[in-house]
Amino acid sequence: GQNIDQPTEMTATEGAIVQINCTYQTSGFNGLFWYQQHAGEAPTFLSYNVLDGLEEKGRFSSFLSRSKGYSYLLLKELQMKDSASYLCAVADSNYQLIWGAGTKLIIKP
Amino acid sequence: ETGVTQTPRHLVMGMTNKKSLKCEQHLGHNAMYWYKQSAKKPLELMFVYNFKEQTENNSVPSRFSPECPNSSHLFLHLHTLQPEDSALYLCASSQDRGTSSYNEQFFGPGTRLTVL
Repeated sequence: GQNIDQPTEMTATEGAIVQINCTYQTSGFNGLFWYQQHAGEAPTFLSYNVLDGLEEKGRFSSFLSRSKGYSYLLLKELQMKDSASYLCAVADSNYQLIWGAGTKLIIKP
Repeated sequence: ETGVTQTPRHLVMGMTNKKSLKCEQHLGHNAMYWYKQSAKKPLELMFVYNFKEQTENNSVPSRFSPECPNSSHLFLHLHTLQPEDSALYLCASSQDRGTSSYNEQFFGPGTRLTVL
């Protein structure tokens, strides 16, 4: 079966750095997405990785290792507004997105 | 503002009611999706429309009936639902559903459905 694993919840301190991991087992791979979802709002796109390595976009970076079936989202200089759920999704061989259950990130002052 | 709107934002209905959810996208996309989001569970893909044609139905019960009159509008008709159908229903759109490996989906804010 296809599976995406990510931690259910994480807590971090304002101004700090946090890494949210995602591991996957899918039938084929056509890219990995990270989305952010604030409570009661739509998921919004953060990043896309299809090749191994690190993609940096401001305070957020996303890393992919296809051989390990592993990705992480790195958030630097955490702000209170970063409190949200972070969803990992993989496009399989049919380009269908397989979703993780999301990681709820709680930022404390 | 994501360019995808959904109405209503909240809906409470009894098990014998019939209601419809509406989704509209203003992005010029050709693919539209219905997802079910339950607490602490992955997003469940329900239906996909590509160029107004339904391309996927992921074993969704017949009490959920989608309709896509054009590439900009998507409906989900609901009838005789069960309490376990209570969830957040999200609509999304993307450029197309086909063979592009980069196919970012844009989501609406969702309809919070409660079935009594």
